[in-house]
Amino acid sequence: GENVEQHPSTLSVQEGDSAVIKCTYSDSASNYFPWYKQELGKGPQLIIDIRSNVGEKKDQRIAVTLNKTAKHFSLHITETQPEDSAVYFCAAHRGNYGQNFVFGPGTRLSVLP
Amino acid sequence: EAGVAQSPRYKIIEKRQSVAFWCNPISGHATLYWYQQILGQGPKLLIQFQNNGVVDDSQLPKDRFSAERLKGVDSTLKIQPAKLEDSAVYLCASGTGVNTQYFGPGTRLTVL
Repeated sequence: GENVEQHPSTLSVQEGDSAVIKCTYSDSASNYFPWYKQELGKGPQLIIDIRSNVGEKKDQRIAVTLNKTAKHFSLHITETQPEDSAVYFCAAHRGNYGQNFVFGPGTRLSVLP
Repeated sequence: EAGVAQSPRYKIIEKRQSVAFWCNPISGHATLYWYQQILGQGPKLLIQFQNNGVVDDSQLPKDRFSAERLKGVDSTLKIQPAKLEDSAVYLCASGTGVNTQYFGPGTRLTVL
């Protein structure tokens, strides 16, 4: 089955700096890769996603890149702000009904003022 | 649009007791998921419903966990009897398509 690894497990950056979180997956049939942000006491919230026919996607300060050959995808946050502090999860999905979302173990991002 | 509702938000029980969690998905969402999130880990899928039918329950510990989705809307997840290792946050999510899912706030279960 699918296995998703995520690095680093914790990340501290100064406000205004960039943050990068990387994930690798094992199942070459996976074709949908969402990123979720989870704040304390809340459920994960989708912040950006990418499909296998796209190499990069950007939404304001957040971008995601995908390398299907190497089976890895990354989340990039620029101009970080204290409110970006949270746990971030990547996930992989095959794109068919009945297929599981497999989540990475998460990255705790701390943005220091 | 109202989000996914879950109750209770917190529950503390002793081992071997039973517990039930309730989820009300976003109106019109046919797909409903239950996840278990152990502290420090990513969510792990327990069961997925499409309307009121089970799509995948391969990771549900069926000797103690059960779930149902009546009339394709609300869902309940039950644990009987609970073990210490069941302490986790139980997340419900709903969606309209193959890939979409919107999470509720979760129920934090502590088993003593």
